[in-house]
Amino acid sequence: DAGVTQSPTHLIKTRGQQVTLRCSPKSGHDTVSWYQQALGQGPQFIFQYYEEEERQRGNFPDRFSGHQFPNYSSELNVNALLLGDSALYLCASSLIGGLAGGRYEQYFGPGTRLTVT
Amino acid sequence: AQTVTQSQPEMSVQEAETVTLSCTYDTSENNYYLFWYKQPPSRQMILVIRQEAYKQQNATENRFSVNFQKAAKSFSLKISDSQLGDTAMYFCARRFEGAQKLVFGQGTRLTINP
Repeated sequence: DAGVTQSPTHLIKTRGQQVTLRCSPKSGHDTVSWYQQALGQGPQFIFQYYEEEERQRGNFPDRFSGHQFPNYSSELNVNALLLGDSALYLCASSLIGGLAGGRYEQYFGPGTRLTVT
Repeated sequence: AQTVTQSQPEMSVQEAETVTLSCTYDTSENNYYLFWYKQPPSRQMILVIRQEAYKQQNATENRFSVNFQKAAKSFSLKISDSQLGDTAMYFCARRFEGAQKLVFGQGTRLTINP
């Protein structure tokens, strides 16, 4: 049973560029959440996707956008990259299955390390 | 602010000792879940233990147990018989009923020495 997978593992971009990060949820899961973890900090919630729609969003600018596909996989896009966007980006999946908020745990992927120069 | 606070940036104990990590949180909600996650150098965030706020009984998972004090908004993690593999960053997190968003603390770096 494959867990949450993310690609790429590492990425180096230049200020002003755009980046796309990818996540495949754990088998059987229908919800994907994205988190940004700056060095030495706890993860910060970016947004959550369920049924191909953004359901909840954290305090991140519109430069951060996402998408969820019919197979439940997800992409995180960041436009106009800033040096401050350098971080570990974590994807977490869970199963809501129609239950409000769900009672199932979030499983995290290994993350994508983004470096903006 | 609905925050989660971990007041111990770093801790270090000898193998086989017991260690307790502290966490406090601020919320006006009544229904929520609390978690401890472990993040080893491999970066993968691993769920250690969870606690439902409506349950008075403290959660236990093998060597890991929590002391949940709802009125004090305190949620500490006790690791018994610590092992070298317990070395990691430990994060306390809170999630409201009906939402997926996890709010994390700043983390505690735990080192188990041989």
